Amino acid sequence: AQSVTQLDSHVSVSEGTPVLLRCNYSSSYSPSLFWYVQHPNKGLQLLLKYTSAATLVKGINGFEAEFKKSETSFHLTKPSAHMSDAAEYFCVVGSYGNKLVFGAGTILRVKS
Amino acid sequence: ETGVTQTPRHLVMGMTNKKSLKCEQHLGHNAMYWYKQSAKKPLELMFVYNFKEQTENNSVPSRFSPECPNSSHLFLHLHTLQPEDSALYLCASSLKSGIESYEQYFGPGTRLTVT
Repeated sequence: AQSVTQLDSHVSVSEGTPVLLRCNYSSSYSPSLFWYVQHPNKGLQLLLKYTSAATLVKGINGFEAEFKKSETSFHLTKPSAHMSDAAEYFCVVGSYGNKLVFGAGTILRVKS
Repeated sequence: ETGVTQTPRHLVMGMTNKKSLKCEQHLGHNAMYWYKQSAKKPLELMFVYNFKEQTENNSVPSRFSPECPNSSHLFLHLHTLQPEDSALYLCASSLKSGIESYEQYFGPGTRLTVT
């Protein structure tokens, strides 16, 4: 069965410093992995996706994630946080039948 | 803008009311989904429709009744709900549903409060 674990429920960074949101996955086959972001009172927006092409995936708003099979990880990073990045981030693994299995979410706080 | 719209954005209903949530996608997709997002809980998949056919019912109580008249529209009919059904209901669409995992595009959600 597919599953994801987001290792931090809350992350706090200062504006202009790097962001690291950690995600580990479990999959019985080569996974499809996604990161979504949800701003307050909004729906989920796709940040990026991995589908077995390049292991380093670039997404929108300067975010990127690296697929590491040996570590079963798919951590999300950004070199420099912006105030507008404050939101909740979800790591997601695709399952058969295009069912998405969501992690519990990581709330990112950006301090000025 | 994601191309998936949901109405209403907010809904307050009593336990004896009947209401419907509407979702429309303008992306030319063939699969549509209903999710429930409750506080402190992971996102829960409720229903999946692929080419207008329901392919997944994730043990959802019968007081929630989905309808998919075509690939662009999805409804969630609500009746005799319970207070614990209060949540954000999200609609999503994807190219199709199958073995591969296609990214899903989400609407803004309907915030439902059951009194």
